[in-house]
Amino acid sequence: AQSVTQPDIHITVSEGASLELRCNYSYGATPYLFWYVQSPGQGLQLLLKYFSGDTLVQGIKGFEAEFKRSQSSFNLRKPSVHWSDAAEYFCAVGPYNQGGKLIFGQGTELSVKP
Amino acid sequence: GAVVSQHPSWVICKSGTSVKIECRSLDFQATTMFWYRQFPKQSLMLMATSNEGSKATYEQGVEKDKFLINHASLTLSTLTVTSAHPEDSSFYICSARRGTSTDTQYFGPGTRLTVL
Repeated sequence: AQSVTQPDIHITVSEGASLELRCNYSYGATPYLFWYVQSPGQGLQLLLKYFSGDTLVQGIKGFEAEFKRSQSSFNLRKPSVHWSDAAEYFCAVGPYNQGGKLIFGQGTELSVKP
Repeated sequence: GAVVSQHPSWVICKSGTSVKIECRSLDFQATTMFWYRQFPKQSLMLMATSNEGSKATYEQGVEKDKFLINHASLTLSTLTVTSAHPEDSSFYICSARRGTSTDTQYFGPGTRLTVL
């Protein structure tokens, strides 16, 4: 069965520190992978996506993610976290042959300490 | 560009009444719209996929007669929760996509439904 796992429910980092949010997926073929951020009162915003090609993907707001097929992972990273990055982060898989439906992970809540 | 709005942003209703939630793509035409449900501190669960001019496709376990979806135009989809009960209280989120299945989904801000 297709699934997405975000092992960390809640992460707290200090402002200026580096960040890595984990995402593992289970899917029978090469998936399309996404990271979204959800802030209170706002819709989900796409940070970055991977379809094919270079496995290191650059996104908005200084985020990047690396697709590792051997580990079935698509971890999100940021070298220096800002207080405004505090939000809920969702990893998602979009199987191409199902009309583009997205399967979301459970989400990771990021808190940023001053 | 690519803005999706939802109305209302929150609604409180009495048990047994019906509630309609609108999802609009403001600056693009959406051939496909999706409806999700999100419980507190949990992930988004896809409820249904709707294509303009055709019937919605519901996910397994989602009651079609309870959650009526209409995608009447390329910019508007509506979700009607019929005969709402307290267990229907949730955060409902829509998303819209322009074209093919690999196009980005743009999400609305969500609608908080509370059924008393």
